[in-house]
Amino acid sequence: NAGVTQTPKFQVLKTGQSMTLQCAQDMNHNSMYWYRQDPGMGLRLIYYSASEGTTDKGEVPNGYNVSRLNKREFSLRLESAAPSQTSVYFCASSEDGQGTQHFGDGTRLSIL
Amino acid sequence: GENVEQHPSTLSVQEGDSAVIKCTYSDSASNYFPWYKQELGKGPQLIIDIRSNVGEKKDQRIAVTLNKTAKHFSLHITETQPEDSAVYFCAASVDYKLSFGAGTTVTVRA
Repeated sequence: NAGVTQTPKFQVLKTGQSMTLQCAQDMNHNSMYWYRQDPGMGLRLIYYSASEGTTDKGEVPNGYNVSRLNKREFSLRLESAAPSQTSVYFCASSEDGQGTQHFGDGTRLSIL
Repeated sequence: GENVEQHPSTLSVQEGDSAVIKCTYSDSASNYFPWYKQELGKGPQLIIDIRSNVGEKKDQRIAVTLNKTAKHFSLHITETQPEDSAVYFCAASVDYKLSFGAGTTVTVRA
């Protein structure tokens, strides 16, 4: 049982390039989330999907788009990467909005 | 939105001693308070959580207390062991949206 799987694990981009981060969960969870983690800060919510077919903005959505492809998969897209988006990105899933969130091991993204 | 403050930012304890981390939150509507442990290169892992209708919860060496009136909650680790060394995050939630504290780096000295 893999839980939450994120790909890729590492990526280096140049300013202005685009990139899609992939996330898949095998726990049959309804809700999925994208966070970013910066040094000295906790995780901040970028977007979430309460259920298949819905997405909503979190605390820091600017510069990102998301797609809930199906119940298992939730992707995060950077259309025109900026150095300020250098961060570690975590995907999470939960059974519903009140449930425990389970995290993947992250994607470490550097933008030069 | 919700604002969660966490103290201390670093904590060094002797093996076998207790560790206490404290958090405060701002939104009185928050009703779910998880604690996560993060090891280097890994994602956060839930270690214990508490809901707003409960004042205290314990799981072996780990306990969490919640004071809704004062809007603060705490993590207590007793009989610390080297494997307890990690970064710990508190969080508060209102319907899907988890707001995290900035984290506490705990070092257990042998």
